[in-house]
Amino acid sequence: EVKLLESGGGLVQPGGSMRLSCAASGFTFTDFYMNWIRQPAGKAPEWLGFIRNKANGYTTEYNPSVKGRFTISRDNTQNMLYLQMNTLRAEDTATYYCARGTTGDWGQGVMVTVSS
Amino acid sequence: DIVMTQAPLSVSVTPGESASISCRSSKSLLHSNGITYVYWYLQKPGKSPQLLIYRMSNLASGVPDRFSGSGSETDFTLKISRVEAEDVGIYYCGQLLENPWTFGGGTKLELK
Repeated sequence: EVKLLESGGGLVQPGGSMRLSCAASGFTFTDFYMNWIRQPAGKAPEWLGFIRNKANGYTTEYNPSVKGRFTISRDNTQNMLYLQMNTLRAEDTATYYCARGTTGDWGQGVMVTVSS
Repeated sequence: DIVMTQAPLSVSVTPGESASISCRSSKSLLHSNGITYVYWYLQKPGKSPQLLIYRMSNLASGVPDRFSGSGSETDFTLKISRVEAEDVGIYYCGQLLENPWTFGGGTKLELK
């Protein structure tokens, strides 16, 4: 069974940083692209970016809306996915999801609130 | 960015009846490889989105065959036959053709 479990969310001040983690299990992690997607309360999801699989060199793609502030990485020895978020703004407040491949499986999400 | 526009905003359906949700993209989602990169999701209340349909008409694993997807290059339809109580939630279409992947605004399905 595929499992994706996000962690690391919470309250952060504007301008601050936060790193989210996603623990993956139930599949061969290195075979899959991995995504981060966020969803503000009551709004549609917004794709943030992905990191490719082993066959594609673990390269990354980002939504231009967050490029330069957010960084996606992975630890393939631990089956972990990460999202480093810098210079956070109030509009980054959302539930953040990791998702496998072409969004076939999603985690349960973790809330991030950016507020003073 | 490719804009995905859904209609209606909400739909109320009698259990056992069918429902259709439309989605229109601002650009063709047909790739030169012949695949149309439109996806459909259901977000049940308090839950994460779950994939229903991928590449316009392919049923995701574990999804009942009451769900079906169809369309052209820019106009797409999700049909739900014989609506059940478990189908309640918000339906989203999405395009995975080009960066940034984008989603429609959602259609809320309720029961009468």
